[in-house]
Amino acid sequence: AQSVTQPDIHITVSEGASLELRCNYSYGATPYLFWYVQSPGQGLQLLLKYFSGDTLVQGIKGFEAEFKRSQSSFNLRKPSVHWSDAAEYFCAVRYSSASKIIFGSGTRLSIRP
Amino acid sequence: GAVVSQHPSWVICKSGTSVKIECRSLDFQATTMFWYRQFPKQSLMLMATSNEGSKATYEQGVEKDKFLINHASLTLSTLTVTSAHPEDSSFYICSARLGGEIAETQYFGPGTRLLVL
Repeated sequence: AQSVTQPDIHITVSEGASLELRCNYSYGATPYLFWYVQSPGQGLQLLLKYFSGDTLVQGIKGFEAEFKRSQSSFNLRKPSVHWSDAAEYFCAVRYSSASKIIFGSGTRLSIRP
Repeated sequence: GAVVSQHPSWVICKSGTSVKIECRSLDFQATTMFWYRQFPKQSLMLMATSNEGSKATYEQGVEKDKFLINHASLTLSTLTVTSAHPEDSSFYICSARLGGEIAETQYFGPGTRLLVL
């Protein structure tokens, strides 16, 4: 079955440190990949998306993600995190053959002062 | 752009009553909207796909008579939880699809927290 895996349930990083959140998707048709962020009690905000072209995509709030087809990965990165980045992050994939988005289980990011 | 609103943001109701949640796309038209349910510390679970002018498509295991979906216009979809029970308490999130089939992106509402007493 098509799926998205976020292996890290909870990550804590120090403010100002770099961040990488991992995401792997199961092999399928052409993947369309997304990263969303959810603050407590809020809906999801789109950080960035990859459909085609340059495999390194830039998003809002200083985030970027790199699509690596050979590794079926779409990891999210940020060079220097801020306390306001503390939230839940969801990786998601949609395959060209379907319109449903499949979400990963999420990674909770905590920021150490 | 691409703003989606939900109303109400939270609701408390008595067991046995019905609750209606609205999802609106504020600055774009959406022929397709989605309804999700999210349990604490879990990911989103797709409940149904709402199509303007036609019946909603429900995911396996979701009771269509329990969760009534109406998508009467290109900017509004409603989810009615009928005869709500405490186990229906959850965070309900809608999203609206923007873009053509290839380039579509879902934009999410802020969610509605439902507590059934």
